[in-house]
Amino acid sequence: GAGVSQSPSNKVTEKGKDVELRCDPISGHTALYWYRQSLGQGLEFLIYFQGNSAPDKSGLPSDRFSAERTGGSVSTLTIQRTQQEDSAVYLCASSSNPMFAQPQHFGDGTRLSIL
Amino acid sequence: GENVEQHPSTLSVQEGDSAVIKCTYSDSASNYFPWYKQELGKGPQLIIDIRSNVGEKKDQRIAVTLNKTAKHFSLHITETQPEDSAVYFCAASTNDKLIFGTGTRLQVFP
Repeated sequence: GAGVSQSPSNKVTEKGKDVELRCDPISGHTALYWYRQSLGQGLEFLIYFQGNSAPDKSGLPSDRFSAERTGGSVSTLTIQRTQQEDSAVYLCASSSNPMFAQPQHFGDGTRLSIL
Repeated sequence: GENVEQHPSTLSVQEGDSAVIKCTYSDSASNYFPWYKQELGKGPQLIIDIRSNVGEKKDQRIAVTLNKTAKHFSLHITETQPEDSAVYFCAASTNDKLIFGTGTRLQVFP
């Protein structure tokens, strides 16, 4: 079956612009996660959605970052007034179980470059 | 909060040799330890995982060991092949957050 799908695969934009990144989780997966991966670094947790519960936003680095998940499926991560330090690969993952202690399946990410 | 350290950062081996990557974690409540393989331009792929009630798990050429007392776990790859070349990440979870190590770049030379 289809895995986690992210779009766009690459995004180049100017500093100060807003960007939207999209994630389509695996069908039936109730949990959805966003991570940020800077060059040569590990994965930094950003936000977690589980069903209709309030999302865990504890990893968002600033109020310029926000995310939503419509209908319990597709999610959009929005970065407003982008800065050069926002350049990174943004990864989305989904899981069939709401607990973190279950396998997470990743998409191939969106590579974001801020000029 | 949880902290996961991973060593080495880079590892080069000859094809057919074994490779070992080690991770330590700080939160004794961690109960789930997955390992991911990430190839260039791709997302991380789960290759093996282990839970805190198990000391060792094996899947063909890949094995993971867990020492809860010492709070460390290791990935072992035997009979390495060039296609094993990638970045490997360990992670630890306490049912709250999945915290990743900083990754090991493995190069297998033919």
